[in-house]
Amino acid sequence: NAGVMQNPRHLVRRRGQEARLRCSPMKGHSHVYWYRQLPEEGLKFMVYLQKENIIDESGMPKERFSAEFPKEGPSILRIQQVVRGDSAAYFCASSLLPGQSTKDTEAFFGQGTRLTVV
Amino acid sequence: AQSVTQPDIHITVSEGASLELRCNYSYGATPYLFWYVQSPGQGLQLLLKYFSGDTLVQGIKGFEAEFKRSQSSFNLRKPSVHWSDAAEYFCAVAQFSSNTGKLIFGQGTTLQVKP
Repeated sequence: NAGVMQNPRHLVRRRGQEARLRCSPMKGHSHVYWYRQLPEEGLKFMVYLQKENIIDESGMPKERFSAEFPKEGPSILRIQQVVRGDSAAYFCASSLLPGQSTKDTEAFFGQGTRLTVV
Repeated sequence: AQSVTQPDIHITVSEGASLELRCNYSYGATPYLFWYVQSPGQGLQLLLKYFSGDTLVQGIKGFEAEFKRSQSSFNLRKPSVHWSDAAEYFCAVAQFSSNTGKLIFGQGTTLQVKP
């Protein structure tokens, strides 16, 4: 059973371009979370999605950022018109059940996509 | 608002020495607490978690953590550190509601191990 797969692992974009980050959850997982890690900081929650639904986007910047998790295919985090401040590592996690509300539920993290804006 | 504080940004210990990484949380109800480890350029790996019950939790790689409600702490310990333990460690608390299950992370503690 493959883990959470994120691609690309590294992404370089010029200012003003679009960045698309992909996350394939673990098999059978229908809950996906995106986190951002700025240099020298911890991870900050961005968005929580279930298949075809955004459940909690309280951590998403109001502009330029969007996320989706279609019925088929990976979850996508999209950043339009990137700026230097978007440079960070973006991590995706998936879980079998919502949140971490049971003893046997765990959010498994991917290896991240490191976005560099030049 | 919920928060997690890791007071130590960097810690250096000698190989074979004991280790304690501090974590303090702010949460109104019974917290669900986690410790993750991140090696350079890698994702996060869960070391251990506390949901309820025994306040001393055993994890992987010889780590343990103790939940102390009176001190709002969840410190990570290891009796004898190995060079391969050098990494960044994150404490986190889960925030639950009907509409979310997000993790709130501390700033992280970077562990260096001296030979």
